[in-house]
Amino acid sequence: GIQVEQSPPDLILQEGANSTLRCNFSDSVNNLQWFHQNPWGQLINLFYIPSGTKQNGRLSATTVATERYSLLYISSSQTTDSGVYFCAVGQAAGNKLTFGGGTRVLVKP
Amino acid sequence: DAGVTQSPTHLIKTRGQHVTLRCSPISGHKSVSWYQQVLGQGPQFIFQYYEKEERGRGNFPDRFSARQFPNYSSELNVNALLLGDSALYLCASSLVRTAFYGYTFGSGTRLTVV
Repeated sequence: GIQVEQSPPDLILQEGANSTLRCNFSDSVNNLQWFHQNPWGQLINLFYIPSGTKQNGRLSATTVATERYSLLYISSSQTTDSGVYFCAVGQAAGNKLTFGGGTRVLVKP
Repeated sequence: DAGVTQSPTHLIKTRGQHVTLRCSPISGHKSVSWYQQVLGQGPQFIFQYYEKEERGRGNFPDRFSARQFPNYSSELNVNALLLGDSALYLCASSLVRTAFYGYTFGSGTRLTVV
């Protein structure tokens, strides 16, 4: 099956810093989403971005489908950005999402 | 509108027992998918149900089963519980079978098997 790898696995930031999270996937996809999981386990959809670039406030994401990677940018990080960020992909023949291992982000005040 | 609701929120079971987890999708959503998230890992797909039929199954043993009711709510059943079944079980709903956009997760049921 498709493999999804995220890097770095852990990230510690000082409040106000910028960061880039990366997601590599091993096969073509027709769906890619970024999620944020809060400490209570809730997965919140950040972006649906199978290709191109999107921005939502301090967050933005870019997917280069032909090169099989996606990037999530966090600018001016805040303590509320702490949590685990997951990349998940879906393929044309399937109806499931395959998740990466996540990037654990801790933003210190 | 209420989001995806799951019950119970926490559960402790003994090895060998059976457990039933419940999920109510967002109103109007006809697809429900179940995921298992072991501590420190990403969620793994277990099942998808759409219009009360199984539409997809992940690599899980037959001890795992599910069903969807006429009101589109769903149950996940796990028999003969093992310690390794301890995990956060997440339910996600979407409007139609392949509408990944708008895929919304519930807060999960945290199952501990002792």
